[in-house]
Amino acid sequence: EVQLLESGGGLVRPGGSLRLSCAASGFDFTNNAMNWVRQAPGKGLEWLSYINSAGDTTYYADSVKGRFVISRDNSKNTLYLQMNSLRVDDTAVYYCAKGGFGLLDPWGQGTLVTVSS
Amino acid sequence: QSVLTQPPSASGTPGQRVTISCSGSISNIGTNTVNWYQQLPGTAPKLLIYSNYKRPSGVPDRFSGSKSGTSASLAIRGLQSEDEADYYCAAWDDSLNGGVFGGGTKLTVL
Repeated sequence: EVQLLESGGGLVRPGGSLRLSCAASGFDFTNNAMNWVRQAPGKGLEWLSYINSAGDTTYYADSVKGRFVISRDNSKNTLYLQMNSLRVDDTAVYYCAKGGFGLLDPWGQGTLVTVSS
Repeated sequence: QSVLTQPPSASGTPGQRVTISCSGSISNIGTNTVNWYQQLPGTAPKLLIYSNYKRPSGVPDRFSGSKSGTSASLAIRGLQSEDEADYYCAAWDDSLNGGVFGGGTKLTVL
């Protein structure tokens, strides 16, 4: 069974940093692109970032470009999102999802990040 | 303001057919395929339709997708109470070089 399990969320002060992890199992992680998507409380979905299977091609939404970094460790079947210079409006549930953007399937259960003073 | 435009709400009675529209531009829907996601209350989104009209295994054929020009639609026939959820369209945008979602449509089964 394909599983994605996010972790690393929590409460952080504005301007702080946090690293999210997404542990993958049940599929060939090494040969699949991955994405991060977030959802602010009561709001819609916002795509954040994409990384290809080798980890050498990445894309970012303008809202996080220069602040967030996506990476992966194929030896550990794990996807990461390093989040720096966090702002109050970064408060959201963060999901990882398997595949290129044209086929995000499945999604993890999400991890909540709260940015507040 | 989302790049893809969806109606914020839709509704229907059990057994009815409902459609949800998604409007974009040449750089997203006009050039790339459209996907639809279903998000049941309190859960993570789930892929419902990909490549404009294809259904992943396990998705009932009551759900169908279509695309024409810079717009797409999701149709649900034989509406059931368990279809009550938020629905999002999505596409890659070549101008933004990133993915874009619609604002979501909350479907209520009356």
